[in-house]
Amino acid sequence: GQSLEQPSEVTAVEGAIVQINCTYQTSGFYGLSWYQQHDGGAPTFLSYNGLDGLEETGRFSSFLSRSDSYGYLLLQELQMKDSASYFCAVTDTGGFKTIFGAGTRLFVKA
Amino acid sequence: DGGITQSPKYLFRKEGQNVTLSCEQNLNHDAMYWYRQDPGQGLRLIYYSQIVNDFQKGDIAEGYSVSREKKESFPLTVTSAQKNPTAFYLCASSIFQDRTKTNYGYTFGSGTRLTVV
Repeated sequence: GQSLEQPSEVTAVEGAIVQINCTYQTSGFYGLSWYQQHDGGAPTFLSYNGLDGLEETGRFSSFLSRSDSYGYLLLQELQMKDSASYFCAVTDTGGFKTIFGAGTRLFVKA
Repeated sequence: DGGITQSPKYLFRKEGQNVTLSCEQNLNHDAMYWYRQDPGQGLRLIYYSQIVNDFQKGDIAEGYSVSREKKESFPLTVTSAQKNPTAFYLCASSIFQDRTKTNYGYTFGSGTRLTVV
């Protein structure tokens, strides 16, 4: 079967750094993506890793280790507007079909 | 501006009724997708299409049907066979990208909230 595991909730204070982990077990692997979704809204794309290592995009970074079937999203200099749900997603071999995790709810406190 | 348009934003369905959710994109993306999201949960794949006139079942295709007659359009029909259709439905599109290069992910529409009354 296919599964993605990520924590259900994370709480952090404004200005801090938070890491959201994701482990996956899928029949094929093409890449790992991260999406942000605010309440009532649509998911928006944050980051993608197709190869091992760290990708940095502004305050957000994402890491992948294919040998460990593991990745994480790192959010730095947290702001109140970062309070949202964050989903990891695995695209299978072929590069089209993508499966999403259940999401991590991030609460940023003042 | 390019994007994905889903309509309607809210939809109410009576028991035993078929309803169709619209999804149109002007991004010139080859691939399109339908996901279902239940409260507090992740996205589950219903159907996806890589090219016109071709589509594949996702993980929860039962009770749903799709068509892809045009590159820009990928409508989803929720049939009476879907016993628990109340959910938030999201349409997305993407281009095929080499795994080693910059990936732009999926672009999502704003969603349709379907409620059975």
